[in-house]
Amino acid sequence: DSGVTQTPKHLITATGQRVTLRCSPRSGDLSVYWYQQSLDQGLQFLIQYYNGEERAKGNILERFSAQQFPDLHSELNLSSLELGDSALYFCASSVAGRGTDTQYFGPGTRLTVL
Amino acid sequence: AQSVTQLGSHVSVSEGALVLLRCNYSSSVPPYLFWYVQYPNQGLQLLLKYTSAATLVKGINGFEAEFKKSETSFHLTKPSAHMSDAAEYFCAVSVKSGGGADGLTFGKGTHLIIQP
Repeated sequence: DSGVTQTPKHLITATGQRVTLRCSPRSGDLSVYWYQQSLDQGLQFLIQYYNGEERAKGNILERFSAQQFPDLHSELNLSSLELGDSALYFCASSVAGRGTDTQYFGPGTRLTVL
Repeated sequence: AQSVTQLGSHVSVSEGALVLLRCNYSSSVPPYLFWYVQYPNQGLQLLLKYTSAATLVKGINGFEAEFKKSETSFHLTKPSAHMSDAAEYFCAVSVKSGGGADGLTFGKGTHLIIQP
């Protein structure tokens, strides 16, 4: 158990819909990362937050957005969903968001878009 | 931009044999390198990391990796494979940037199969 929690574990929805994925980092970690894992694209970095502020952006689509709240939990919002958005979405957290920090991964949310 | 190449999407070894999973990186600046393991239906777990200290890094479960700058490699080894090592292994790179990290760039993964 990494100490990072993600809800829900599974999510099934239809094209065009909007969903919210939630992540609670390990106690004491200030930085949160979101990753997408799919069969064709592999593991891709989406976005990083540090203490409530956006720190870095990866391959995140404009239809996707995220935020980190004062209690440090984070939410990833996916809108206008397409079939290709079906994937496993991971949240990770680290102490200070530095390149040398270990990122601890949650168990993931499996999103299925029908 | 940095990138990671993992040679071999599937590697099969016999129980008790040497495990060698290959990783080559591309980066214009000194990188930080990581190996993660993913068991079925689980998140990723860190095996070991290189952060510019010792070039031979020891990790959990008997794994180790050696950073070779001249070869731009960070191969993962274990002297004797165990059935419980069967999993997906990912090599990743994080590049130093001002003020923080830009997330990890992952290789496509290597599926390790252990033959009894």
